[in-house]
Amino acid sequence: EAGVVQSPRYKIIEKKQPVAFWCNPISGHNTLYWYLQNLGQGPELLIRYENEEAVDDSQLPKDRFSAERLKGVDSTLKIQPAELGDSAVYLCASSLGQGARNEQFFGPGTRLTVL
Amino acid sequence: AQSVAQPEDQVNVAEGNPLTVKCTYSVSGNPYLFWYVQYPNRGLQFLLKYITGDNLVKGSYGFEAEFNKSQTSFHLKKPSALVSDSALYFCAVRDARGGATNKLIFGTGTLLAVQP
Repeated sequence: EAGVVQSPRYKIIEKKQPVAFWCNPISGHNTLYWYLQNLGQGPELLIRYENEEAVDDSQLPKDRFSAERLKGVDSTLKIQPAELGDSAVYLCASSLGQGARNEQFFGPGTRLTVL
Repeated sequence: AQSVAQPEDQVNVAEGNPLTVKCTYSVSGNPYLFWYVQYPNRGLQFLLKYITGDNLVKGSYGFEAEFNKSQTSFHLKKPSALVSDSALYFCAVRDARGGATNKLIFGTGTLLAVQP
């Protein structure tokens, strides 16, 4: 079974430029998460989708970040414009069902460097 | 509010010795507790979880964890460490009551270094 797929794996951009990350969850997983992981820290949730609906985006900085999950499968996370402080690893995860007891499966992440 | 504490930034252990990675938590309701491992340049991999029932939970790669409600702890253990266990370990907690904004809260991670 294929795991969570993310692309690109690495991205280097100049500040004020836009950037987008793509995620393909495990087949059949209706819950999808985007996390931000700073160096030396644990992941922090940005947004959670149940199918195509964003059910928790309270931690997403909506002035510059946006996300979508059309058709309830793949998802894209966008930053526009990027700032120096956005340099981090962006992780996508998925889980089967929406229960709190279900473990999440993580992709390899996209390492973003903003210069 | 939920929180997780991993009091040790790094744990050093010799290969073949038992290892323990500590985790304490705070949650309003009953906890769902998870351990994940992260190897360099890779995403987090699920190791084990406590939902309910037996306080000793067994997981992948010979790891186990013990849920202690009175001490609000969920320490990760392994009887005999391998060099290949060297990685970053994350404890996480989620409130069992669920809800739209109920989310998984991660600790800051503990780097496990196993010396040959």
